[in-house]
Amino acid sequence: AIQMTQSPSSLSASVGDRVTITCRASQDIKNNLGWYQQKSGKAPNLLIYAASSLQSGVPSRFSGSGSGTDFTLTISSLQPEDFATYYCLQDYNYPRTFGQGTKVEIK
Amino acid sequence: QVQLQQWGAGLLKPSETLSLTCAVNGGSLSGFFWVWFRQPPGKGLEWIAEINDSGTTTNYNPSLKGRLTISVDTSKNQLSLSLTSVTAADTAVYYCVRGKLRIVYDGYERLFDPWGQGILVTVSP
Repeated sequence: AIQMTQSPSSLSASVGDRVTITCRASQDIKNNLGWYQQKSGKAPNLLIYAASSLQSGVPSRFSGSGSGTDFTLTISSLQPEDFATYYCLQDYNYPRTFGQGTKVEIK
Repeated sequence: QVQLQQWGAGLLKPSETLSLTCAVNGGSLSGFFWVWFRQPPGKGLEWIAEINDSGTTTNYNPSLKGRLTISVDTSKNQLSLSLTSVTAADTAVYYCVRGKLRIVYDGYERLFDPWGQGILVTVSP
């Protein structure tokens, strides 16, 4: 199975900060990666698919980049509603695998 | 707006069978693939299984293979999951999710959206 290594596992940031989360795949996954936001007690929500495509309805402060093995999720200006846990998911092959998650907390 | 509504038994004893159903409201099974994920309390997400809209193609997580069955009922517009011989390690919130596949010039795009509300299944003696 492809291993997805996500970092950091947690971070503290202030409203307005630029935040970057990374995922590294254990092999080439082309651009087959999505990013998900999960708020406490809720189901995950798709933010980015195909590494860099913004899902409809998601604010433009979220962006994704990367291909191959290294991927990044960037929040350009952190908003209060962005405090949550973020996961990457590779859909290149089976079994699909997630990163361990990054919890974004208020500084 | 498609919504996925899940239901099933929330408390099981070890060795029993987990059975969950997911209804696709406001949309159709057709043209999509369908997925189950789970998340143990306080832990990360795990992909469990996928099925196409006709039910003819399935993929299972090898760590659970042999205990899993995923199916679709096109007449009812529903997706189901069965997991036999459960243990405490199967305690988790289970999510059904719609998958959309797009073929693009340089490969594929897969969108896992929307997600059901999740259902907590607890396995306890």
